[in-house]
Amino acid sequence: QVHLQESGPGSVKPSETLSLTCSVSGGSMTSYYWSWIRQSPGKGLEWIGYIYGSGSSNYNSLLKSRVTMSVDASKNQLSLKLTSVTTTDTAVYYCTRGGLPAAKSPGFWGQGTLVIVSS
Amino acid sequence: SYVLTQPPSVSVSPGETAKITCGGNNIGSKSVHWFQQKTGQAPVQVIYLDNSRPSGIPERFSGSNSGNTATLSINWVEDGDEADYYCQVWDSNSDHVVFGGGTKLTVL
Repeated sequence: QVHLQESGPGSVKPSETLSLTCSVSGGSMTSYYWSWIRQSPGKGLEWIGYIYGSGSSNYNSLLKSRVTMSVDASKNQLSLKLTSVTTTDTAVYYCTRGGLPAAKSPGFWGQGTLVIVSS
Repeated sequence: SYVLTQPPSVSVSPGETAKITCGGNNIGSKSVHWFQQKTGQAPVQVIYLDNSRPSGIPERFSGSNSGNTATLSINWVEDGDEADYYCQVWDSNSDHVVFGGGTKLTVL
C-alpha cells in the first residue's frame, strides 16, 4: 500500500515562496499521476495541479502562474513550489496519487500539512 | 470551467439511507469519484469510477451516475458516517481535476 508524507515549513511570510516535499513509499512513482490539493480552513478541496511520473504536468488555471511541481523518482519524492504567497494561500496541503495507473483522479492521500501565511 | 454542485448539508437518522447528489452538465458522461472527510482527517475515497468501492469500504456505500446528476448513497447510516463528502471528476476539456463544494452529512 502506497504511503504519502508531506513535509515543509509550517509558516511562510507573504510574498515569499512556499516549498513542500512529498515522500512516497510502498509503490512506484512511474505510471501514476501525482496531484497536490489544498484546503483552506473551513473550506472545500482545491486542486492545485498534477505531475505524471515522466514529468509532464498541468496546473489549475487560477494558480498556474505561481506553481511549479517536480518529481524525483530516484528519491521517491515530489515537490511543490508556490511563489508570491498571500494569506489566502493558508491551507492544509495534501499530496495525492492516482487511484489507478494513468488515472488523474486522486485515490490515495497523504495526511496533509498545514501551511500558514503570516508576517 | 466545469462546475460540480452539491447540497451544503444532508441530515438523516441512524439506520436510514442518505443520498448525496452531485450535479454537473452531462455528468453521466464522466467518471465520478467520492471522498469522505472526517473532522481533522485527510479525505478517503469511498467510491471510484461511479460505483466501485475501494478495498475496506463497506457495501453500505454505493454510487450512481446518469444524466446531469451523480448520487452517493449510504445505506443503514451509522454515527461514524458523519463527515463531509466530496464528489470529483476529471474534466477533459480543461484537463483539470474538479471537486464539488462538499456536503456535510449529519447523523441525527
